[in-house]
Amino acid sequence: DIVMTQSPDSLAVSLGERATMKCKSSQSVLYSSNNKNSLAWYQQKPGQPPKLLIYWASTRESGVPDRISGSGSGTDFTLTISSLQAEDVAVYYCQQYYSSPVTFGGGTKVEIK
Amino acid sequence: QLLLQESGPGLVKPSETLSLTCTVSGGSIISSGYYWGWIRQPPGKGLELIGTIYYSGSTYYTPSLKSRVTISVDTSKNQFSLKLSSVTAADTAVYYCARQDYDKYYDSGSYFDFWGQGILVTVSS
Repeated sequence: DIVMTQSPDSLAVSLGERATMKCKSSQSVLYSSNNKNSLAWYQQKPGQPPKLLIYWASTRESGVPDRISGSGSGTDFTLTISSLQAEDVAVYYCQQYYSSPVTFGGGTKVEIK
Repeated sequence: QLLLQESGPGLVKPSETLSLTCTVSGGSIISSGYYWGWIRQPPGKGLELIGTIYYSGSTYYTPSLKSRVTISVDTSKNQFSLKLSSVTAADTAVYYCARQDYDKYYDSGSYFDFWGQGILVTVSS
């Protein structure tokens, strides 16, 4: 199975500041045939199911604000919230779908400083 | 808007079988573009795929759970179901049903775009 490792476990950011979190896969999730990375990001607020934010590493799901962006390739990926808002407080998970079983990272908890 | 809703007992005894159903509304489970899956999350922990099913009945089970899992689909009711046998306290979790996008190019499932609210299942005597 591909192991997904997220860092940091948690981070506290001031409102309006940038929040950056990492996701590293134990092997590349890049499809060389079409140059697409099989990596998704989710946001989970307390008591709620995960919400899809980003897929193919950088494609924003419909309705996701453009202050949230994904980047990276191969084994190293980043989710960035450019200007943290109160509603962004949540746990963020990455997920690879390059190979079965799909696997998730352990999550990064984002809080307000 | 697609809605998924889990239902079933919230308490299961050790060694018994956990049974859950996911009812899909606002869309058809008979769709060539999607798998339907079960994912669980132990309290305070991360997410784990249990397995997925296509409307035709084709299934995928996570290897670590394969010996205990059965996922089935009832297209007439727009539902799919999960059975997990011989449960222990380690199976206590919130169980989610979700729709998984099907990638035609690679003939495999990808990301999960719609999720149910989840149901907490506790394994205890």
